[in-house]
Amino acid sequence: IVMTQSPATLSVSPGERATLSCRASQGVGSNLAWFQQKPGQAPRLLIYGASTRATGIPARFSGSGSGTEFTLTISSLQSEDVAVYYCQQYNNWPPEMFGQGTKVEIK
Amino acid sequence: QVQLQESGPGLVKPSQTLSLTCTVAGGSVNSGDHYWNWVRQYPGKGLEWEWIGYIYSRGSIYYNPSLQGRVTISVDRSKNQFFLNLTSMTAADTAVYYCARTTEWPSYFDYWGQGTLVTVSS
Repeated sequence: IVMTQSPATLSVSPGERATLSCRASQGVGSNLAWFQQKPGQAPRLLIYGASTRATGIPARFSGSGSGTEFTLTISSLQSEDVAVYYCQQYNNWPPEMFGQGTKVEIK
Repeated sequence: QVQLQESGPGLVKPSQTLSLTCTVAGGSVNSGDHYWNWVRQYPGKGLEWEWIGYIYSRGSIYYNPSLQGRVTISVDRSKNQFFLNLTSMTAADTAVYYCARTTEWPSYFDYWGQGTLVTVSS
């Protein structure tokens, strides 16, 4: 399975919505997670099961989709959300499990 | 709160063996249905990822077939640590190495270490 994320870079004004896309080359059901990675930090789990927020994740982060098309939405971008975001499928193993990432910047 | 911390050399010579340790705090490598994984991220290949393998809390071990023959994952349950050995290192193995946990297989990684950069160079 190949995971393709778009766009590669997303520039969004503070308070605006950011929409990130992840596409799987074949269906993965709802077995899709989203991670946030800031420079020098461990990846942080945001979403699992395509739409369930992990513990402690702010409500401005939401996930949707199933099968091959998935979306991560940040409803109101904050400065602390600047990071690279990755999707990970866990329907098939061993994986080509992660997408190549979307870098979110402040416009 | 589960915390994982990688440790090991930052520089390895070609053909040598890489040995990394992951120390687990706030959880136990012995208990629960947990899978203790090694994953790496290549800095120069568009930040691509590769899953290396896992050791299950109940003992089984599974490796990425692409690394079969070079990789060994083991555990010291008394120290709450697990380990990665990767032989015959080349420049292509230069990456940030992470340890991470899953609670099922296959599943998402719910806890990660900070990662450790390993550079292969003479």
